[in-house]
Amino acid sequence: DAKTTQPTSMDCAEGRAANLPCNHSTISGNEYVYWYRQIHSQGPQYIIHGLKNNETNEMASLIITEDRKSSTLILPHATLRDTAVYYCIVRETSGSRLTFGEGTQLTVNP
Amino acid sequence: GAVVSQHPSWVICKSGTSVKIECRSLDFQATTMFWYRQFPKQSLMLMATSNEGSKATYEQGVEKDKFLINHASLTLSTLTVTSAHPEDSSFYICSAGTGDRMQFFGPGTRLTVL
Repeated sequence: DAKTTQPTSMDCAEGRAANLPCNHSTISGNEYVYWYRQIHSQGPQYIIHGLKNNETNEMASLIITEDRKSSTLILPHATLRDTAVYYCIVRETSGSRLTFGEGTQLTVNP
Repeated sequence: GAVVSQHPSWVICKSGTSVKIECRSLDFQATTMFWYRQFPKQSLMLMATSNEGSKATYEQGVEKDKFLINHASLTLSTLTVTSAHPEDSSFYICSAGTGDRMQFFGPGTRLTVL
């Protein structure tokens, strides 16, 4: 699976949009981009995933660049409860393994 | 939907004893379940992948005789840490895979070995 690169930490003001970047420059055509988050001392929570089109659900939006080498997770109106480690993971369409990197610690400040 | 539970949520045991952790998919059938371990301030590390009715596949460096995995049904997988030692103290997390290869995670089990 392709390696991903994320910033170690980010801060965001409550109520503002949180934009979390992820680089996956070696991604191949059959690999999806997945986003999970982990609130302290809990199991990871699925957020969203996509292949090449932008995606939106009730939690977030995923913007994937046209060359697919990077993506951005957008939390439109961050709340204090969104403080967590966010993991960007690339996985083959035919595979099932998820390889977690170090992720981004997002801190939402009041 | 897609709820995964783990039991117990935390356990403290003496060195040398064995501990069993259960992982259940509550509202779906999971042909594949995964076990992860997470040490403080580190990311999740995949330990093994188990498919219902067959032997688990362990990641390199994970001792299969120490971490026994049983996937007896489509909704239950167990991880038994045998002869636990303080260095096995960690946060153990399972996930269950759906037919479309989505993974949903349990809440984790905090193991402390004294």
